[in-house]
Amino acid sequence: DAGVIQSPRHEVTEMGQEVTLRCKPISGHNSLFWYRQTMMRGLELLIYFNNNVPIDDSGMPEDRFSAKMPNASFSTLKIQPSEPRDSAVYFCASSLQSGIHNEQFFGPGTRLTVL
Amino acid sequence: GIQVEQSPPDLILQEGANSTLRCNFSDSVNNLQWFHQNPWGQLINLFYIPSGTKQNGRLSATTVATERYSLLYISSSQTTDSGVYFCAVGIYNQGGKLIFGQGTELSVKP
Repeated sequence: DAGVIQSPRHEVTEMGQEVTLRCKPISGHNSLFWYRQTMMRGLELLIYFNNNVPIDDSGMPEDRFSAKMPNASFSTLKIQPSEPRDSAVYFCASSLQSGIHNEQFFGPGTRLTVL
Repeated sequence: GIQVEQSPPDLILQEGANSTLRCNFSDSVNNLQWFHQNPWGQLINLFYIPSGTKQNGRLSATTVATERYSLLYISSSQTTDSGVYFCAVGIYNQGGKLIFGQGTELSVKP
């Protein structure tokens, strides 16, 4: 079974550039989550979708960040314009929210470096 | 918001030793997961354990939901067990989002 797929795995860009991270959740899962990992703040939720609808975006740091889920098999996280403090590992996760068992599975992450 | 505290923050073991990692949380949870982040940065699911006890090979976990803690046991540790172990919890009425602890960094020496 294919797990959560993320691309690119590594991204190096210059300050001010637009960055788009992509995620394909596990087939059949109805919830998708974007997390960010930094040394200072650890792992924290940015936004999550249920049935393609954004439910909680309170973790999105500022208006430079946006996320979309146009269909059940694809999501993007966009940063425009990027800043050096956005450098982090961005993880996408998915789960089947059934009310009984809602285990999350994580993708390999995208390591973003903004110079 | 809910607090998730893991202990110890760091642990160094000799290969073959056993260890216990602890996760305390401050509210009732409907999800608790243990992850291993390997040296390549991947988050590997170890256990989905909002309550009860589970075992998988040399690893086992116990969650006592009423007392708001979970334990991860590693027996006969191997160098490949090195990495960071995270506990993450999800709470009622907050959808499926996970709140992560700060992790326990484990180093197993040969």
